[in-house]
Amino acid sequence: LAKTTQPISMDSYEGQEVNITCSHNNIATNDYITWYQQFPSQGPRFIIQGYKTKVTNEVASLFIPADRKSSTLSLPRVSLSDTAVYYCLVGDISHYGQNFVFGPGTRLSVLP
Amino acid sequence: EADIYQTPRYLVIGTGKKITLECSQTMGHDKMYWYQQDPGMELHLIHYSYGVNSTEKGDLSSESTVSRIRTEHFPLTLESARPSHTSQYLCASSGSGEQYFGPGTRLTVT
Repeated sequence: LAKTTQPISMDSYEGQEVNITCSHNNIATNDYITWYQQFPSQGPRFIIQGYKTKVTNEVASLFIPADRKSSTLSLPRVSLSDTAVYYCLVGDISHYGQNFVFGPGTRLSVLP
Repeated sequence: EADIYQTPRYLVIGTGKKITLECSQTMGHDKMYWYQQDPGMELHLIHYSYGVNSTEKGDLSSESTVSRIRTEHFPLTLESARPSHTSQYLCASSGSGEQYFGPGTRLTVT
């Protein structure tokens, strides 16, 4: 399983764009990159998933460089409600026998 | 929106009691998981299943057991609860992609 490294915590202000970078130097050819968001006392919630280049949905963008050894989750114009823990996971989503490891994640604090 | 349910949401129970935490999903997912998470800490996988009659232990050793008799149902049982079992238990399921999590059960053993 590809090990990921992300900052333990980040602070931002309302209205700013937040970029959280995840390093995954030993990512395998079939691995996808998935990001989850977790609020206190709730289960994680899927945000976005990608394989290469750029993926965008209604809440975030995911940037993946050509070498795929890192990825950046971009949250546009954050609000107080975006305060949460963000997890980066890497793995082969089609591999029946693989489980994904949730590391410590990045604790994002959005300040007024 | 994913349909995965956990009951009870909160449970306070005395030491030595047997408890079963329920988890059900209506998405027909083959894969289901149980995680344990203490407040402010990481999620730890304690059990998983790839289908009916398939169960495996996860990365974190746990005294709990699970069963998977039906695709939609993945209950977790503690035969004799102890204060060290106090935690939040999260159930999840997945098809071929992302995991969908239930709301969790917060267990307190006194």
